[in-house]
This record gives sequence, structure tokens and C-alpha cells, in this order.
Amino acid sequence: SQQGEEDPQALSIQEGENATMNCSYKTSINNLQWYRQNSGRGLVHLILIRSNEREKHSGRLRVTLDTSKKSSSLLITASRAADTASYFCATDKAGNKLVFGAGTILRVKS
Amino acid sequence: GAVVSQHPSWVICKSGTSVKIECRSLDFQATTMFWYRQFPKQSLMLMATSNEGSKATYEQGVEKDKFLINHASLTLSTLTVTSAHPEDSSFYICSAQPLNGRGTDTQYFGPGTRLTVL
Repeated sequence: SQQGEEDPQALSIQEGENATMNCSYKTSINNLQWYRQNSGRGLVHLILIRSNEREKHSGRLRVTLDTSKKSSSLLITASRAADTASYFCATDKAGNKLVFGAGTILRVKS
Repeated sequence: GAVVSQHPSWVICKSGTSVKIECRSLDFQATTMFWYRQFPKQSLMLMATSNEGSKATYEQGVEKDKFLINHASLTLSTLTVTSAHPEDSSFYICSAQPLNGRGTDTQYFGPGTRLTVL
């Protein structure tokens, strides 16, 4: 399986704190994406970072990519209770397929 | 724009029956749609790639005779779980790639269908 790994598997923080999630993958990529999934719901696309980019920002989100280490991180700053969800990274595979990481369950306590 | 719908959003069926799940791209045409399965507290696993007008390609370990995929038009793909068993209970999610989309950065995901087999 080419499925990547994410850590931590679960993260519980207080509202206002920052949350950092990491993703590792196994093969070379063209891009890496982060998604959010609320419990029992579909996926919401958060951000895409291409292999030639090292860092990208979108609102309270900051994503980094280190292709030499085959890893990426997602930072959510000033977290809110509404950020409580599962977060997945996904890398591209031949045939425009996406390979999802195991996910991090984030709980933000108010 | 770029909305993908799934129907039904949830379904409960008896063991041995077949269930059809629809995936529609509402405001764009999609030559390729993907079907994923997600077990509770696990990640999404790609089951198959559905191409309009041709046979679907299945990932290793996915039974093509059990999970029938039809992509008859540029806006509709269906997944039929045949002779469903309790172990098929899962969350099924589709994604659609626009006609002019290149790479994976233009896939749009449906809201998912929760299947429970009794």
C-alpha cells in the first residue's frame, strides 16, 4: 500500500491554541492536498501544495512540504471549536488517483 | 460551482440484497469519477476509477463482480453493491474530475453515502 501515515492519530487542544498535524508519504509526488472531514460527512478541500513549493498559507492554515523527507505538516492557528474534525493528507498517484493518509482526529475544546 | 451529489445519503438494507448508489456532477461534466470506501475511524480507500463510456478499473483486492460501476453519462456514475453483507457496511464517497481537469487538483468530492447492511 502506498497509503501515507499521519501523526498524531488524535490531538486534543484548547480553543485558541495551535494545532499541528504531520503527514508522511512513500513515493514521489506532483502535489499534496489536505482535507477536512466532519464526523460522518464528506470531504472539504483545504489546501493544495505542489512539489516545487515549500510553504503555503490560506487564512489560519499553514502547510509545509519537505520532499526530501517526504513529509508535510498542517498548522491551524488560533483553533476554534468548529475546527474539530478529522484531517487527511492526500498525495497523487498515477492515473490522477489520490492516496489518503490515515488521518488525524482533532478535538478543540471550548 | 463544482458540486457533486450522492444519492441516497444513507441506506439500510437486508443481507443478500443489492444497493445502488448514484454520484452526480451537478454543474460540470466529468469524464472520470472515483469511488472510495471508508470504514469507521479509518481513512478513505480508493475502490475503483470510473470512466465515462468504458469499463471501470478496480484497485487490487476490490471485487469487480461485487461492486458494479456504471458511468453511462458525463454527469452520472453509479456503484451497485451486489448481494450485500454486513461487512460491506461502510461510508462510500465519490469524487468527480471535470472534463477539462488535469491532475488531481480538480477533483470534487460528494457528501458520501452511509450503507448499513443488516
